Formats: sequence, C-alpha cells, structure tokens
Amino acid sequence: DAMVIQNPRYQVTQFGKPVTLSCSQTLNHNVMYWYQQKSSQAPKLLFHYYDKDFNNEADTPDNFQSRRPNTSFCFLDIRSPGLGDAAMYLCATGREGPGQGFNEQFFGPGTRLTVL
Amino acid sequence: AQKVTQAQTEISVVEKEDVTLDCVYETRDTTYYLFWYKQPPSGELVFLIRRNSFDEQNEISGRYSWNFQKSTSSFNFTITASQVVDSAVYFCALSEAGSNYQLIWGAGTKLIIKP
Repeated sequence: DAMVIQNPRYQVTQFGKPVTLSCSQTLNHNVMYWYQQKSSQAPKLLFHYYDKDFNNEADTPDNFQSRRPNTSFCFLDIRSPGLGDAAMYLCATGREGPGQGFNEQFFGPGTRLTVL
Repeated sequence: AQKVTQAQTEISVVEKEDVTLDCVYETRDTTYYLFWYKQPPSGELVFLIRRNSFDEQNEISGRYSWNFQKSTSSFNFTITASQVVDSAVYFCALSEAGSNYQLIWGAGTKLIIKP
C-alpha cells in the first residue's frame, strides 16, 4: 500500500544533542511537509518542500532544518534540541500543481521526540 | 485574516448517539478549501473530507456527513450512530487559494464515545 513512513516512531535525545528524523513516501507526491504537534494542540507547520523548493515558515526557529535529497525522502534536523522541542513530529505529503487547488495531505504516523 | 474555530473542546456521548462537531471559519477569499481530519489515540492524522468553496453540496459517507453552509461560514461534521472507534480528536482546517499550501487549523474537538 502506498504510504508515508516515519522513522523512528520514538526518539529520545539529550538536551543539545543533534537529532534527525526521517520521512519517506511511496505516494510519489511532489509536496512534503513537516509539522510539530504538542499535546492537545493542532499541528504547526514548520516548513514544506514543493518539489525541490524549500519553504520555511516565518516563525520556525533556526534550530530546525530540513533536507529533501529526492522525491521520496525528507529529513528533519534539529541542531540543538531544547526541552521545548519535545513534541510529536508529523510528516505529510500532498500532490499539488497549477490550477489544482489545494489537495488533501496524507500524514505519517509521527515521531514522538523526548528531550532529556 | 483566516481563522478556524472549533468551539467544542470536548464532547462525550454514549455509543449509538448522533453527534455533531461544529466548525466555523473566517476568510476573505472567494476561493478556499475546507478539510476535516481525524486523529485517533495512535496519533496519525487521517484525512476525512475536502470541500472547495464553490461546492456547497452536503456530503454523506456511511455514518459520516458534512454540512457546508457559506451563509454562516460553517462546515459541520455529524457522526450518526456513533461507535467507540470514532473516539478521536477531530480537526477542521482551511486553506485559501494562493496561501502557499498552508493549512489553518482549528483547535480540535476531542470526541469520546462511551460504550
């Protein structure tokens, strides 16, 4: 089945120790998103890739970076995690194009990050 | 400015009851898109429906139905004959054409279905 896969599902890191979360998709969608979701809150968009074009949200901290080496994979790098970065990180994909409007996003299961 | 309001923070009903989750949105655009997502306790967000602003037809999918009314800027979601498996957080979201693919999310409504 076509899907969005995130690894690992649970990640524990130490304060200040860099961590990388990964996302892969078999849907062949051209857009990939990274969201941060804290307990009892709606997801918050960090950035997205439209094809190879990177789009950073204005309020995303510089501590968060992303890479998309190819269509199928996208990585979220947290350079120096703080206690406030503990959250669920959700990857999503979408198929977008000129004149298509805004289509639905398909989400992975998420990676729950704990910062000690 | 765009905004999505889900006034019901938490709803609790007994299984087999019908329940309606409210969603009110604000936008200045004439072209926009509305969505509902379900987030069960496992955490994965599941897409339920997408509706564009030019299509006010109500939709029914099994026990789920959606009522889109532009006159009241509402896009409400009804579950008929609720089941325990419907227990989840439900999010309503809005996107405007030209918004660079950003979704404006409501705060979510936690739905608890008691056996």
